[in-house]
Amino acid sequence: AAGVIQSPRHLIKEKRETATLKCYPIPRHDTVYWYQQGPGQDPQFLISFYEKMQSDKGSIPDRFSAQQFSDYHSELNMSSLELGDSALYFCASSWNQETQYFGPGTRLLVL
Amino acid sequence: AQKVTQAQTEISVVEKEDVTLDCVYETRDTTYYLFWYKQPPSGELVFLIRRNSFDEQNEISGRYSWNFQKSTSSFNFTITASQVVDSAVYFCALSAHNNAGNMLTFGGGTRLMVKP
Repeated sequence: AAGVIQSPRHLIKEKRETATLKCYPIPRHDTVYWYQQGPGQDPQFLISFYEKMQSDKGSIPDRFSAQQFSDYHSELNMSSLELGDSALYFCASSWNQETQYFGPGTRLLVL
Repeated sequence: AQKVTQAQTEISVVEKEDVTLDCVYETRDTTYYLFWYKQPPSGELVFLIRRNSFDEQNEISGRYSWNFQKSTSSFNFTITASQVVDSAVYFCALSAHNNAGNMLTFGGGTRLMVKP
């Protein structure tokens, strides 16, 4: 069965640079979610999209923005990167607000 | 506000032992879902089970079983005859099912180490 695809899997950036993370949800899923997991922490909800419209917002910094495109893939844009942004970023997708299935994550390291 | 508490941060067992991971939750919503996810050392989050608030039936899947008790707001997870491959961090999570969105609120996770 098709799973959530995330790219890139690993990313190294310098402070103050920008990064773009991509997510391709499971086909026919109508909702995409983004989570951030710091080292040794539980995943924290950032933002979600239902049918290409932002549906909910969590603890997402103003330096981050996200959108969902007409083909349902989503991108998380991160600017002015800080050391504290180093984390594992997960995308998840669901259908009809049911089970969220997670992608493999993008591991971001900010130097 | 929603909250999930996993009081056990780390558990260490020897292979073939049974182990129970505790999860306690708080929510004001009447309709909600409870989940367990497994995060092995490779880092991905693997879905294990979903339970809705109206279904208190316990569930068994192979060596895994789950005990949902609404009266105590608990959703515990038992692994029978543990194996080394069960070593991972296990997260309990909660989502409301309402118009305000259904983001997951995770507990802090329990790291399970199964020794041979």
